Amino acid sequence: GAGVSQSPRYKVTKRGQDVALRCDPISGHVSLYWYRQALGQGPEFLTYFNYEAQQDKSGLPNDRFSAERPEGSISTLTIQRTEQRDSAMYRCASSLGTSGSQQFFGPGTRLTVL
Amino acid sequence: AQSVSQHNHHVILSEAASLELGCNYSYGGTVNLFWYVQYPGQHLQLLLKYFSGDPLVKGIKGFEAEFIKSKFSFNLRKPSVQWSDTAEYFCAVNAGQTGANNLFFGTGTRLTVIP
Repeated sequence: GAGVSQSPRYKVTKRGQDVALRCDPISGHVSLYWYRQALGQGPEFLTYFNYEAQQDKSGLPNDRFSAERPEGSISTLTIQRTEQRDSAMYRCASSLGTSGSQQFFGPGTRLTVL
Repeated sequence: AQSVSQHNHHVILSEAASLELGCNYSYGGTVNLFWYVQYPGQHLQLLLKYFSGDPLVKGIKGFEAEFIKSKFSFNLRKPSVQWSDTAEYFCAVNAGQTGANNLFFGTGTRLTVIP
């Protein structure tokens, strides 16, 4: 596609429910990144993939958060048993190369946990 | 651990005024430095980046930034702002040599330009 797309754009869920956020990177981009942005803050790194391999998941806050990219293209970030503190903008980015390449960001998914 | 500080949370300027947004980072090794901009209702977009070479980097829309290694700074400048520059600006850094590509962002500076 022309750019990084994310779905849904907005997600409202009740505490305790699981949510899955999807990211479709720019076609051919090797690396894919997930960030979380709380209100009034900058994006905070969660995890990233080169192709289908998860290279770094050090930013995932706890084991309720997981991500996958099984075919090296689309990625899903899953949050289990959501809590109100999970409410944030979740941003996905992709880059052409694996080192030092410019990251292109998607529009984000605004998650609200009631 | 790397960290990025942006000193100005909200800057209000009149059109044609000059702009300088501060950014300092904390990291002892080689770094790549970035400024991203988010216009209202739009995605984060890259304004400019520094990897190596000339420490004065020119980006899109007349923006530039200067890397001062001794001060661990990468301030963003524009000689004359326009109303359309109203946006949120984020400074970001990643480690230049380790191959780790994840970006560390500052908290952002909201710029409001008054016509």
